Amino acid sequence: DAGITQSPRHKVTETGTPVTLRCHQTENHRYMYWYRQDPGHGLRLIHYSYGVKDTDKGEVSDGYSVSRSKTEDFLLTLESATSSQTSVYFCAISESFSTGGKLFFGSGTQLSVL
Amino acid sequence: QQQVKQSPQSLIVQKGGIPIINCAYENTAFDYFPWYQQFPGKGPALLIAIRPDVSEKKEGRFTISFNKSAKQFSLHIMDSQPGDSATYFCAALYGNKLVFGAGTILRVKS
Repeated sequence: DAGITQSPRHKVTETGTPVTLRCHQTENHRYMYWYRQDPGHGLRLIHYSYGVKDTDKGEVSDGYSVSRSKTEDFLLTLESATSSQTSVYFCAISESFSTGGKLFFGSGTQLSVL
Repeated sequence: QQQVKQSPQSLIVQKGGIPIINCAYENTAFDYFPWYQQFPGKGPALLIAIRPDVSEKKEGRFTISFNKSAKQFSLHIMDSQPGDSATYFCAALYGNKLVFGAGTILRVKS
């Protein structure tokens, strides 16, 4: 999967607990994205980053925060997990602004919030 | 404005058939239209893409048809095989953000 590692691959947590998902890339790509995948909704953008410490919101950002302190790492945090955040989370990378449609995806994290 | 509507939700065809998946959009600022293929347990992978100044693009057995005036585009899979069974997503690029359709689950019966 193009040098992208997501961790953990599976997580079960309880409502109200904080959760952090990690995305690590070895491609030195500038852009990193977090998507969630739900049946009937496809993939929806949560947050993205266009450089170290540079991040912006996507279409479903409420309840999520992100951080990028190094080019290779992009963290997604659920401050207080809710059952509606049960989903499969995908990290993706792209090389540049001009190749923003050519995303490389990780293998995903299955998150269950009970 | 930012939506991409994809149909059908699911599709079953016989081996050798030509499944067709359709997508429609409203935002004329979209300027790149990729299709992604996803197998169970994996992340989506770029399959084929087209820009709005082109009406058709072929790569192997996969063809995108693009109708700019109707704001619609579609994916055709020629001589479909059981190995093509997967979920297919159309998408559209706005700036550096990709907006995805809801996905089509394709099953090719042998």
